Amino acid sequence: ETGVTQSPTHLIKTRGQQVTLRCSSQSGHNTVSWYQQALGQGPQFIFQYYREEENGRGNFPPRFSGLQFPNYSSELNVNALELDDSALYLCASSLRLAASTDTQYFGPGTRLTVL
Amino acid sequence: GENVGLHLPTLSVQEGDNSIINCAYSNSASDYFIWYKQESGKGPQFIIDIRSNMDKRQGQRVTVLLNKTVKHLSLQIAATQPGDSAVYFCAENGGSTLGRLYFGRGTQLTVWP
Repeated sequence: ETGVTQSPTHLIKTRGQQVTLRCSSQSGHNTVSWYQQALGQGPQFIFQYYREEENGRGNFPPRFSGLQFPNYSSELNVNALELDDSALYLCASSLRLAASTDTQYFGPGTRLTVL
Repeated sequence: GENVGLHLPTLSVQEGDNSIINCAYSNSASDYFIWYKQESGKGPQFIIDIRSNMDKRQGQRVTVLLNKTVKHLSLQIAATQPGDSAVYFCAENGGSTLGRLYFGRGTQLTVWP
């Protein structure tokens, strides 16, 4: 186990609703990255947070937003849910040393279904 | 940087045999590569990583080989066990100064008794 936890495990929402997913980092880690994994695909980078600020973003619209708290836990918020948002949402924590070569450790994910 | 791919989507091996999972990448700027294992219903689990200043790295029962000339990465698993059955992903950093990882689609490894 990585020590990275996520909640909830599963979530069902309807189109247009908003959702908040939560992630608790591994002890000692100060950086959190969020990924979206569609069925049968590899994870796609959403964004990364370091020292409570967004530190890089992938090709996702602004309705995907996040927060990182002083204890390094993090939230992913998605507004105006669309059917294509149905996926496994993964967070990964790391200890910022060199950024580009920091090892990321993943949590178990939150399975979001949008109806 | 988003063209990390795999030569084979599935791989079946007999228990006890060695497995080789291949990965091609297209971004020559990538200087850090990771292999992850993902079991059904779980998040990706770190297996081994390698930096571009190396061409081989060994772990417990696993070896990663990096060929920068042909932009190829492979994961070798020795004495494959049923518990190794999972989807294996290679990921690269695309040369980014940030912590973004680019993943391929994955290879499904099935180990038969």
